[in-house]
Amino acid sequence: DAKTTQPNSMESNEEEPVHLPCNHSTISGTDYIHWYRQLPSQGPEYVIHGLTSNVNNRMASLAIAEDRKSSTLILHRATLRDAAVYYCILRDSYSGGGADGLTFGKGTHLIIQP
Amino acid sequence: NAGVTQTPKFRVLKTGQSMTLLCAQDMNHEYMYWYRQDPGMGLRLIHYSVGEGTTAKGEVPDGYNVSRLKKQNFLLGLESAAPSQTSVYFCASSYYYTGNTEAFFGQGTRLTVV
Repeated sequence: DAKTTQPNSMESNEEEPVHLPCNHSTISGTDYIHWYRQLPSQGPEYVIHGLTSNVNNRMASLAIAEDRKSSTLILHRATLRDAAVYYCILRDSYSGGGADGLTFGKGTHLIIQP
Repeated sequence: NAGVTQTPKFRVLKTGQSMTLLCAQDMNHEYMYWYRQDPGMGLRLIHYSVGEGTTAKGEVPDGYNVSRLKKQNFLLGLESAAPSQTSVYFCASSYYYTGNTEAFFGQGTRLTVV
């Protein structure tokens, strides 16, 4: 899987939007962009994923750059419960035989101030 | 619907002791994974399975063995525990392995080897 780069930490205020960036300059045409988050003392949970077009779900929005070399996870109105480590991960849509799971980096530690 | 369940949640072992961690999923997923997470780090893949009766090595397999005798269960064994295996262990499952599939994680097993 191609490599992603994220800031180590970000801070935001409660009830404000949060934009979490991710750079993936070596992304291939068949890579999906996934976001997972890990709340304190819990297992990772899926947030959202996309290929080319922007995506929305009940948790967040994913904005993908036109050249797909970067993306942004958008939390529209952060709450204290959104404080977590957010991981941006690339996954090949056609795995030639491998099934080796998700490759986690260190992610972005999101701090929400009340 | 329980999702992915890990047992036990906590365990303290003495060096040289053995133990088995159990992961159970009720979503009829083919793919299952064992990860470990050390402080301040992302998750690293230990072993994975692409279906009942199959297993394969991940990034950090040494010192661990796994078995997938039933589709819903994936067992992780430590034959002779070492302090370096002190970590939080996460199990995950997914219906398929490609980029358009999300993974579901358990709540983790916190293992301390003294």
